[in-house]
Amino acid sequence: SAVISQKPSRDICQRGTSLTIQCQVDSQVTMMFWYRQQPGQSLTLIATANQGSEATYESGFVIDKFPISRPNLTFSTLTVSNMSPEDSSIYLCSAGSAGGGIFGPGTRLTVL
Amino acid sequence: ELKVEQNPLFLSMQEGKNYTIYCNYSTTSDRLYWYRQDPGKSLESLFVLLSNGAVKQEGRLMASLDTKARLSTLHITAAVHDLSATYFCAVGVRPSNSGYALNFGKGTSLLVTP
Repeated sequence: SAVISQKPSRDICQRGTSLTIQCQVDSQVTMMFWYRQQPGQSLTLIATANQGSEATYESGFVIDKFPISRPNLTFSTLTVSNMSPEDSSIYLCSAGSAGGGIFGPGTRLTVL
Repeated sequence: ELKVEQNPLFLSMQEGKNYTIYCNYSTTSDRLYWYRQDPGKSLESLFVLLSNGAVKQEGRLMASLDTKARLSTLHITAAVHDLSATYFCAVGVRPSNSGYALNFGKGTSLLVTP
């Protein structure tokens, strides 16, 4: 099955700044997904990234706050913009496969 | 809106005992996932259940799916401390030719004690 890597693994950022998270898959996939896991909580889907088209955002998430790029079939980025402490979470990317969704190791973001 | 409900949310059990975690979901789906998450770690895929009546087993864990009842169970047999973790069920939505977006339950935090 696919192997997913993410950068950075963690970061501490100041409020008002932006952070771009990179997600790399070791095989080509049509769909990639970005999730957020707030402290002690479950995972919430932010958006679905399809190569060659605009990302599809879930209710409560907007492109201005979480712009996503998907330049090719193995790579995606998620930017967390104008950060506030409420954005402190783990951000995970996922790629589908017939056998099940595979997740990257996550990016642990702390906003001060 | 698809809702996924897990229970219990917290479970403390003694080593050697059996227990079941339940996952109910509100709308039709043709696949259900179980994941394990250790503290500070990402999600590890345990099972993918694709059809009504599907049953999968790996070691002391067995998962089943009843699509008519919209219910999946994760049964733990003779628990050991290494099974202590948070277990999530997730329901696949919006199928594509390369994967499903997942709607997660709140997770069951399992602690196995001596």
